[in-house]
Formats: sequence, structure tokens, C-alpha cells
Amino acid sequence: DAGITQSPRYKITETGRQVTLMCHQTWSHSYMFWYRQDLGHGLRLIYYSAAADITDKGEVPDGYVVSRSKTENFPLTLESATRSQTSVYFCATIADTHYEQYFGPGTRLTVT
Amino acid sequence: EDQVTQSPEALRLQEGESSSLNCSYTVSGLRGLFWYRQDPGKGPEFLFTLYSAGEEKEKERLKATLTKKESFLHITAPKPEDSATYLCAVQATGGFKTIFGAGTRLFVKA
Repeated sequence: DAGITQSPRYKITETGRQVTLMCHQTWSHSYMFWYRQDLGHGLRLIYYSAAADITDKGEVPDGYVVSRSKTENFPLTLESATRSQTSVYFCATIADTHYEQYFGPGTRLTVT
Repeated sequence: EDQVTQSPEALRLQEGESSSLNCSYTVSGLRGLFWYRQDPGKGPEFLFTLYSAGEEKEKERLKATLTKKESFLHITAPKPEDSATYLCAVQATGGFKTIFGAGTRLFVKA
């Protein structure tokens, strides 16, 4: 029972390339979130989704695109990667009857 | 604007030396205040949820408390395995957006 998984775990890409980070959950929780974590900034919300086909912007959405066609998957796409998007990305869910979040293991993305 | 500030940024303790981590917050209407533990290279792991001023939660050597403006994470007689980054976060009523603090890095030396 993996809970929430992310892939890839590590990714190096070049400036201008499109990159998609995957997030999969086995719980069927309604809400899913994408965060980036940078030194000195903590976790910042990029996008979140309340259900399949319902998404909304967070604090730092520019340069990112999300989709959610199925409840269990929530991919994050960087349409044209920039060096400022070098970061560690975390996916998370919230259990429908509680408010705490459950996080995936993270994807470390480096844009060269 | 909802905001979370954690202090200190880093804390170095000797094994057995008790201390507290601070989390100051401003939020339009508090649904919950959360504490998470994060080990290097891993995602945050949920520790506690506090819902109202005066509430306290305990787990092993950790105790979290909440006032209307602050939360404290008290660590009693810490061990080296308590070394981690501790994150505080708040969630406002009316939605599930969660605002995180930058964290406190705790180092416990044997």
C-alpha cells in the first residue's frame, strides 16, 4: 500500500524543455496539491485540485500547468522550464474526513 | 494576508536538553494549525493538528500547544533521532489552502 507516489524522483532538464512530474495516490482522496520547496521559502502552493476536472491556482502558479482527468492522478507540467524552477516538488493529498496533508516523497528537479 | 513565521531557523541541542520551537501565525479564521516533521530527502510527515486556543497534543517526547497567535512545539529530553526539520502550517476556514512556515531545523547531539 504505497499511498502517494511521485515520479520521477530526480530529473535534470534543459532550459526551455517541457517536463511533466507525476503524482499518483491509492486512497481516492478528493483534494490533491502541488508544492515547491526552496531554501528560505518553505513549502509554496503551486496548484491544487478539489476533484477530477476541478483545479485552482495557488501562490506560485506561473509557468506551470496541471490537469486531473482521474481522481488518483495529478500531473504537473512545466511548459518551458526555467532555471528558477529548479526546486524540490511535493505532491500531497488531504483525507476527506480530516484536514492534515499526506505528502509524497518528492521530485528533485534541476533545470540547467 | 495569512502568514506563518517560525523561530528559530535552526536549533542545536545536546541530548536530553529540552527546548521549544515557536510558530507565530496570522489567519483570517483558523480551521487548524498543523505540525509536520521532515527528514532530509523525504516529504513532510504529519505530527499534530490543533484546532483552538488552549488545545494541547502529545506524542512521545513532543508536545504541541496553541494560543490565538502562536503555537509551540516542546521537545522534552530530545534524542539524536529527533533531529529533523519541523514545519508549522495553518489552514483557514472556507478552503483547504495551507500556508507553511519556513521550518526550524533541529539538531540533537549525542
